[in-house]
Amino acid sequence: EAGVAQSPRYKIIEKRQSVAFWCNPISGHATLYWYQQILGQGPKLLIQFQNNGVVDDSQLPKDRFSAERLKGVDSTLKIQPAKLEDSAVYLCASSLEREAVEQFFGPGTRLTVL
Amino acid sequence: GEDVEQSLFLSVREGDSSVINCTYTDSSSTYLYWYKQEPGAGLQLLTYIFSNMDMKQDQRLTVLLNKKDKHLSLRIADTQTGDSAIYFCAEGYQTGANNLFFGTGTRLTVIP
Repeated sequence: EAGVAQSPRYKIIEKRQSVAFWCNPISGHATLYWYQQILGQGPKLLIQFQNNGVVDDSQLPKDRFSAERLKGVDSTLKIQPAKLEDSAVYLCASSLEREAVEQFFGPGTRLTVL
Repeated sequence: GEDVEQSLFLSVREGDSSVINCTYTDSSSTYLYWYKQEPGAGLQLLTYIFSNMDMKQDQRLTVLLNKKDKHLSLRIADTQTGDSAIYFCAEGYQTGANNLFFGTGTRLTVIP
């Protein structure tokens, strides 16, 4: 069974530029999560989708971050414009359903904002 | 579920046991998890324990949960160099959004 796929693996941009990350969850997983992991910290949830609907986006900085999962499968997270403090690893995870015990994580996208 | 604390570093000799500790503040969490993160990699679920259990053993891993003190520990028996990584504990809930609240991670270094 293929795992959670993310691309790109690394991205370097200048502040005020925009960037997009892509995630393809495990086939059949209804729930998809985006986490932000700043260096030296644990991951923090940004947004959670159930199929193509948003369950929780309370921690998403909506003035600059947006995410979508239009067909209920893969998802895109965008930052526009990026700030220095957005430098982090962005992790995508999926689970079979919202009440599932296990979340499966992708390898992450490391973003550096200069 | 937003206050999960871990010590930052732990060093052990190869073959010894490692014990990684975690404290949390929210007693309403449903599950408590241990994840492993190797350099440049995502998070790998090692094990989890339901909040009404005291102990869970899985091969070299033993999880102990003290609900009264809100303390979780992960013991790795016969630690190997391949166990060197960052270990995160996390709280999870099965109501509402079911996201995970992670600690800051403990970097385990295994000395050959």
